[in-house]
Amino acid sequence: EAGVAQSPRYKIIEKRQSVAFWCNPISGHATLYWYQQILGQGPKLLIQFQNNGVVDDSQLPKDRFSAERLKGVDSTLKIQPAKLEDSAVYLCASSYGLAGGNEQFFGPGTRLTVL
Amino acid sequence: AQSVAQPEDQVNVAEGNPLTVKCTYSVSGNPYLFWYVQYPNRGLQFLLKYITGDNLVKGSYGFEAEFNKSQTSFHLKKPSALVSDSALYFCAVRERDYKLSFGAGTTVTVRA
Repeated sequence: EAGVAQSPRYKIIEKRQSVAFWCNPISGHATLYWYQQILGQGPKLLIQFQNNGVVDDSQLPKDRFSAERLKGVDSTLKIQPAKLEDSAVYLCASSYGLAGGNEQFFGPGTRLTVL
Repeated sequence: AQSVAQPEDQVNVAEGNPLTVKCTYSVSGNPYLFWYVQYPNRGLQFLLKYITGDNLVKGSYGFEAEFNKSQTSFHLKKPSALVSDSALYFCAVRERDYKLSFGAGTTVTVRA
C-alpha cells in the first residue's frame, strides 16, 4: 500500500514570497490533515478536511495561509506572503475517517526555510 | 493548558536495557491515546494506540504502552532497547473535536 506522498521535500524562499505544498493521501482515506512542525515542538494542526469539506481550520493563519482539497483527494497548502516564522516542516497526514480510533498516517513532510 | 505532556526532553539508555518514555494527559472522559516515532528527515510513524479494553497495549517494533487512568499516564516501554530505536517519540491524545494534540516530543538515544 502506497503511503502519503508530499512534494517538494525541501523549499527555500525569501520572505514575502509565495510557496505551495502538495499532498496525495492514502487511497480511500477520507480525512486529510495539514500540520506545522516547528523545530523542537510537536506537530500543530493547521487544517483538517473530510472529503473536500473543511472540518477544522481554527489554527490556520488565514491572512496568509490557504488550503484546498479539490475532488476530495489531493490537497495543496499555500503560504502567501511567507514570513520568517513560517520556517518549519509541513506534514500532511490522512486517516480512514474522523472516528476517534483511526490512526493518522503521515507523509515525509516538506521542510520550508524562509530567509 | 496542554492536553498531553512529555516531561523528559531526552532519554538515554544502553542497548539491551529497558526503555521507558513518559507521557501524561489531561483530557476528560475516556481518552484516545497514541504514540508515534519520527526518524530524521521522515514523517511520523504510528506505533500503537489505546482506545478501550486492556490497559497494556502492544504495538510495532516490540513497543508497548500502559494506560493508567488514575495517574492519567500512557508511558511507552520496550523491554530491551536497540540502537535503531534512537529517534524522536511523540505522545498524542484525541481531543473532543477530533483534533490530535501532540506532546513536545522525547529524543531517545540508545548507545551501543
